[in-house]
Amino acid sequence: AQSVTQLDSQVPVFEEAPVELRCNYSSSVSVYLFWYVQYPNQGLQLLLKYLSGSTLVKGINGFEAEFNKSQTSFHLRKPSVHISDTAEYFCAVSEASGGYNKLIFGAGTRLAVHP
Amino acid sequence: DTEVTQTPKHLVMGMTNKKSLKCEQHMGHRAMYWYKQKAKKPPELMFVYSYEKLSINESVPSRFSPECPNSSLLNLHLHALQPEDSALYLCASSLTAHEYGGYTFGSGTRLTVV
Repeated sequence: AQSVTQLDSQVPVFEEAPVELRCNYSSSVSVYLFWYVQYPNQGLQLLLKYLSGSTLVKGINGFEAEFNKSQTSFHLRKPSVHISDTAEYFCAVSEASGGYNKLIFGAGTRLAVHP
Repeated sequence: DTEVTQTPKHLVMGMTNKKSLKCEQHMGHRAMYWYKQKAKKPPELMFVYSYEKLSINESVPSRFSPECPNSSLLNLHLHALQPEDSALYLCASSLTAHEYGGYTFGSGTRLTVV
C-alpha cells in the first residue's frame, strides 16, 4: 500500500520568511502526489499536484513543490509566507484499489506564521 | 459551478437520533467520496461511489449508510451513532474514480454526537 510521511507536525515561521514543508512517499512504479491546504473549520483545497512531466510543480498562492524520485520526496516550498498562510497542510498520494483510485493522506503539518 | 456543497455545516445529534448529511456537486463528476476527519488528524476514506454505485467501503460500521440517488447528490445517513463518531465529515468528487487528478472537497459537516 502507498503511504506518505510528513516529517514535521508543526512548522513555525516568521512572516515574509521562506518555508519548506517536507513529504516523503513510499516508492512505487507510478506515483501521483498532491498537496492540500485546510484552513480552520474548512474543507481541503488543492494547492498543486504532480502527475508526470516536469519535476517542479507550481501551484496556487505562490506555492511550489519538487518531485524527487531518487529521494522519494515531494517537498512544498514558498519563498515568502504571509499570515494568511497559517493552516494545516496535507501531502497525499493516489493509490489504486480494486480498479479505483483513492487518496491517502499524510498526518499533516501545521504551518504557523508569526508577525 | 466548481464547488462541492455540503449541508448542514454543523449538526448535533443524540445517540438515538437519525439524521442525514447531504453533498451536492454540479461539475459533472461521476465519482463521489465520503471522508471522516477527527480533530488534528488527516481525513480517512469511508466510501467511494462511482457512477452512482458503491465501489469502496472501507469497513465502515453499518450505523453509517451512504446513498447516491443521482450523479449530483450523495447522502450519508446516520443512525445510533456513538460519541466517538463526532468528527468533520468531508465530501469530495472527481471526474471519475479511475483518474489521478485529485479531488474537489466540500467544506464539511461538523458532527457532534451527544
